[in-house]
Amino acid sequence: EAQVTQNPRYLITVTGKKLTVTCSQNMNHEYMSWYRQDPGLGLRQIYYSMNVEVTDKGDVPEGYKVSRKEKRNFPLILESPSPNQTSLYFCASSLRQGMNNQPQHFGDGTRLSIL
Amino acid sequence: SQQGEEDPQALSIQEGENATMNCSYKTSINNLQWYRQNSGRGLVHLILIRSNEREKHSGRLRVTLDTSKKSSSLLITASRAADTASYFCATPYTGANSKLTFGKGITLSVRP
Repeated sequence: EAQVTQNPRYLITVTGKKLTVTCSQNMNHEYMSWYRQDPGLGLRQIYYSMNVEVTDKGDVPEGYKVSRKEKRNFPLILESPSPNQTSLYFCASSLRQGMNNQPQHFGDGTRLSIL
Repeated sequence: SQQGEEDPQALSIQEGENATMNCSYKTSINNLQWYRQNSGRGLVHLILIRSNEREKHSGRLRVTLDTSKKSSSLLITASRAADTASYFCATPYTGANSKLTFGKGITLSVRP
């Protein structure tokens, strides 16, 4: 089954404790992206990757890191999480994005609470 | 920055009625997409309409696009309780990123 898998689905942690949210897709998609969703603010892009070893900042990259060593994986790293990073996070992928005609496939989300 | 803005923010209808949701955007686009998000889940792609198309159908969904008014509408006919969800329009960002920019969404409640 074609899917985007995020782990963990839920995480409660404390300020400053490094964490990684994994994202994996099995559709051989080139484009992958991370979003955060906050009430009243909608979906905001954090980072994106056009292909392996190609990543770039989205709208709200501060406090986050990503890597794209393999096509299928795109982990989101919070080196020193802070309470303002408490949010619902989504990973998404699409075949490619350069053509602007590709639907995105989303994971089920990771709800992070930073205390 | 927000490209697409949905209207209304919330909509409550009775099962069997039609639901109409609107999206307006600011800059020229080559396509517009609609997504659905069930509570606590990820977004699911519903339909993509290209700038040279005026109307597109998919099952009970009908999407229109008016590029002169920079607006789109999503019509769900004969709504069901299972259609209760948030609906988002998404438009391509015209910068180098080529990302999709999502609106803040419309919350649709369908009462049984």
